[in-house]
Amino acid sequence: QQQVKQSPQSLIVQKGGIPIINCAYENTAFDYFPWYQQFPGKGPALLIAIRPDVSEKKEGRFTISFNKSAKQFSLHIMDSQPGDSATYFCAASRGNDMRFGAGTRLTVKP
Amino acid sequence: NAGVTQTPKFQVLKTGQSMTLQCAQDMNHNSMYWYRQDPGMGLRLIYYSASEGTTDKGEVPNGYNVSRLNKREFSLRLESAAPSQTSVYFCASRFRNTEAFFGQGTRLTVV
Repeated sequence: QQQVKQSPQSLIVQKGGIPIINCAYENTAFDYFPWYQQFPGKGPALLIAIRPDVSEKKEGRFTISFNKSAKQFSLHIMDSQPGDSATYFCAASRGNDMRFGAGTRLTVKP
Repeated sequence: NAGVTQTPKFQVLKTGQSMTLQCAQDMNHNSMYWYRQDPGMGLRLIYYSASEGTTDKGEVPNGYNVSRLNKREFSLRLESAAPSQTSVYFCASRFRNTEAFFGQGTRLTVV
């Protein structure tokens, strides 16, 4: 039973486009929602994270939108670049338990 | 800055063989994790350890055992490897409910 559902599975955008990746979670006890970025052959690395007391967080070109009542959150990448091409994972965490979505493979075409 | 170190990076096993994947972190983190990554399935939690001496099952623990040897080290053992355990394995650590740091991964093939 997957506790975090992520969509889409893959996404292709042109340079400068705004890809949006969505996640939904089941357990309302989750209280930390990070996004990780993974390049081929590497481990995931934290991109940006949010806690449920805010509805939006922005760091550079990356923004998380959080909807607590809908149990959904999303990642927006402004002015996307070819260097943003990677796999993105959302996650939900409570205490020591941390669960991930299935991942989205993003390709940004020049 | 070593962070999280996993060994080995690559391994090929025959069905039924056993092996231990090693993980060590130098960030003084309490929590450590083992995940497996399969295409289309994301990162699935195998086991985690909240502190030295404690371990808990995750989503897919069958066929695996773990040992939290001390605060730094958390090992994953496959007692009798099966082709279904072919995957990329990641170890991670973090301090409480904050950012997790991942190792580079171990690519395991069971033939």
